Amino acid sequence: AQTVTQSQPEMSVQEAETVTLSCTYDTSESDYYLFWYKQPPSRQMILVIRQEAYKQQNATENRFSVNFQKAAKSFSLKISDSQLGDAAMYFCAYRSGRGGGADGLTFGKGTHLIIQP
Amino acid sequence: EAGVTQSPTHLIKTRGQQATLRCSPISGHTSVYWYQQALGLGLQFLLWYDEGEERNRGNFPPRFSGRQFPNYSSELNVNALELEDSALYLCASSTLGTGGQETQYFGPGTRLLVL
Repeated sequence: AQTVTQSQPEMSVQEAETVTLSCTYDTSESDYYLFWYKQPPSRQMILVIRQEAYKQQNATENRFSVNFQKAAKSFSLKISDSQLGDAAMYFCAYRSGRGGGADGLTFGKGTHLIIQP
Repeated sequence: EAGVTQSPTHLIKTRGQQATLRCSPISGHTSVYWYQQALGLGLQFLLWYDEGEERNRGNFPPRFSGRQFPNYSSELNVNALELEDSALYLCASSTLGTGGQETQYFGPGTRLLVL
């Protein structure tokens, strides 16, 4: 079974600064997808960024980028120019590439990101 | 384009009762996933429906069940409610792309409280 580990229960960053959230995963598969989701106090899970394991290029979405290290099974999220609206729980998630999504997403425990004004 | 919708927003039941939660996927999405987010247990995969069929379930007892309707909306039923069923239940929808390139988009959740 796959596991996802987020070792930082809570992180704090000053507004406009850069912060990196860590995520490691364990899998024996070669075909998989990785995601970062954001869950603000409203509880709605919002997709932040997605990475296909077969792509060597790191995904970016505006101020959000990932550092995907396949050999190390690491998938960290970098948030540049942090804004107050970035405050939320951030979840790293894994999905197997086989079976068309049969196993759903496997989530880490989450990192609570605090933005200091 | 409307996102995933869930109803009700909140639900209060007593132990032993049945709860029914509903989910409407994004238009064009055929897959619906259900997840449970309970305090201390994190997010756990519950059920997956695609094209009207239950395709897979997570490590949950049979009293968690559901169905998917012809319009791809879905219902989650929890029978014989227990106190530990209190949680936020999240629904996600997706469309299976080629090579399994699907992304799940989540609804706002239903918060179930069992007294």
